[in-house]
Amino acid sequence: GAVVSQHPSRVICKSGTSVKIECRSLDFQATTMFWYRQFPKQSLMLMATSNEGSKATYEQGVEKDKFLINHASLTLSTLTVTSAHPEDSSFYICSIPKPFMAGGRQDTQYFGPGTRLTVL
Amino acid sequence: SQQGEEDPQALSIQEGENATMNCSYKTSINNLQWYRQNSGRGLVHLILIRSNEREKHSGRLRVTLDTSKKSSSLLITASRAADTASYFCATDAGQAGTALIFGKGTTLSVSS
Repeated sequence: GAVVSQHPSRVICKSGTSVKIECRSLDFQATTMFWYRQFPKQSLMLMATSNEGSKATYEQGVEKDKFLINHASLTLSTLTVTSAHPEDSSFYICSIPKPFMAGGRQDTQYFGPGTRLTVL
Repeated sequence: SQQGEEDPQALSIQEGENATMNCSYKTSINNLQWYRQNSGRGLVHLILIRSNEREKHSGRLRVTLDTSKKSSSLLITASRAADTASYFCATDAGQAGTALIFGKGTTLSVSS
């Protein structure tokens, strides 16, 4: 079954509103989760690393005040797109590395099914 | 940032033919992975090859890795219409447990 869930799977919102996307680990506790963004017909680009108990680290060019990340618990990270605009329309995907203690290997990462955001 | 290029960017073949996609990367790696993505959907993990491996097989998939050239290839044999998708390589840039860095991808179209 699924190891990582994302909610919602699809969201359409008006320009200027904020949208929250959840990434949930269903099988193990995760201190680290990754958020990617994929524009149409492009590849996945890492946006930020969500760290439980500390601030997220953002990749160059990603506005931390616009894309708020909260690693609320060891099984949940949320990405909030604040004041969304049409150029934020994208496919947002999270991934979670499975730690050794949970039976994972260093190269095991699980991807969520993604959230399609459309900003009108 | 992205690791590098995949070629071709797009590939159209007939059912039954083989499809070969190539991927190049820039940094040292622990392993390289290939993923498939159907249009508008999430990622499906296909195969992982470690830096000390040169070739790996899984069903109709064959992956090669040349660390001296920092390149990898994915071969899909006897392709089917259901193989139509985008294919991405991804590496860990030499640090296990870190985020993956994806190539630009190859869009494969298999017609029946």
